[in-house]
Amino acid sequence: DIQLTQSPSFLSASVGDRVTITCRASQGSSTYLAWYQQKPGKAPDLLIYAASTLQSGVPSRFSGSGSGTEFTLTISSLQPEDFATYYCQQLKSYPLTFGGGTTVEIK
Amino acid sequence: EVQLVESGGGLVQPGGSLRLSCEASGFTFGDHYMDWVRQAPGKGLEWAGRIRRKGNDYTTEYAASVKGRFTISREDSENSLYLQMNNLKIEDTAVYYCARTFYDGSIYYHDYWGQGTLVTVSS
Repeated sequence: DIQLTQSPSFLSASVGDRVTITCRASQGSSTYLAWYQQKPGKAPDLLIYAASTLQSGVPSRFSGSGSGTEFTLTISSLQPEDFATYYCQQLKSYPLTFGGGTTVEIK
Repeated sequence: EVQLVESGGGLVQPGGSLRLSCEASGFTFGDHYMDWVRQAPGKGLEWAGRIRRKGNDYTTEYAASVKGRFTISREDSENSLYLQMNNLKIEDTAVYYCARTFYDGSIYYHDYWGQGTLVTVSS
């Protein structure tokens, strides 16, 4: 199984900050990686797929990069509605796996 | 508008069974692979399994944690996805989401999720 390790698991940031979340895979995942945002009590929302493709309707302040075993999600200027938990997911091989999540909280 | 609505969750004793449903609307259900993903209270996301479409013989994939106990099926004529859960364990307690997949030319990603249904396994 491909294990995904997200870092940090928690971060405290202010509105307007640039935020970067890292996702490391235990095996090469090519670019078959997605990022999701989840708010409390809600289902996840797809932000990025294929490592760097912005899902339709997602603000351009979100971006993704990486391939192989290291991936990043960047929020260029954090907005109040961005405080949430973020998950990466690999889709290269079964079982599909998620990272442990990164919670972004208001500083 | 794409909508996925899960139902069938509830309280069940260890060793018991439960069948979850996911009713889809707003898209051609039969064209999409469909997945179940679960989330234990206060924990992260865990993929449970997938069912492919008719053209792929409705083949399935499962996580090791549920294989042999859970069965995914679908009824395209009713735009419905199912998760039959047998021999439930306390660690199966979670919110269960159904998720639609889309194909980007290389692989299938989850683009729409239902609101989830809570399954609690407890004596």
